[in-house]
Amino acid sequence: GENVEQHPSTLSVQEGDSAVIKCTYSDSASNYFPWYKQELGKGPQLIIDIRSNVGEKKDQRIAVTLNKTAKHFSLHITETQPEDSAVYFCAASLYNFNKFYFGSGTKLNVKP
Amino acid sequence: SAVISQKPSRDICQRGTSLTIQCQVDSQVTMMFWYRQQPGQSLTLIATANQGSEATYESGFVIDKFPISRPNLTFSTLTVSNMSPEDSSIYLCSVGEGAGQPQHFGDGTRLSIL
Repeated sequence: GENVEQHPSTLSVQEGDSAVIKCTYSDSASNYFPWYKQELGKGPQLIIDIRSNVGEKKDQRIAVTLNKTAKHFSLHITETQPEDSAVYFCAASLYNFNKFYFGSGTKLNVKP
Repeated sequence: SAVISQKPSRDICQRGTSLTIQCQVDSQVTMMFWYRQQPGQSLTLIATANQGSEATYESGFVIDKFPISRPNLTFSTLTVSNMSPEDSSIYLCSVGEGAGQPQHFGDGTRLSIL
């Protein structure tokens, strides 16, 4: 099955700096890649996603890039704010299947 | 996106007992899923809840331990049976509209077994 690796496991940045979280996947048939933010005591919240026919997608301060050849995708957060502090999970999914394969998570700490 | 409500939000249970977790969605959805998230860990899919038929379980999870019901397109339950301390986790319900579509999660049930 699919294997998703996520790095780093923890990331600490100063408010206003950028943060980048990287994921790699093993199955070249994967073609849907969502990113989730999980705050303490809450369920994961979808923040952005990308499909394999697109190389980059942006939504305000958040962007995701996808390199299908290298089988990796990244989350970019610019102008970080303390409320961006949370655990972020990447996931990969094959188009014809409902199952999501999640990365191990990145705990982002934005210092004011 | 759909509003997903899970009950209870947390519970503390005795070893050997069972607990049923409910997941209610405010609109009809095609797919409903149950995940387990152990403390500080990622999400692991337990099963896909199928409306009107038996759930589809992932490797390592069995129906006797985690019976699931889905009587309609807006509701599902997960029972954690004969609980042991190793079952202490967050149990999450998610919904989706099929392959290649986003899943949306409830806030989870935080379960502690004494």
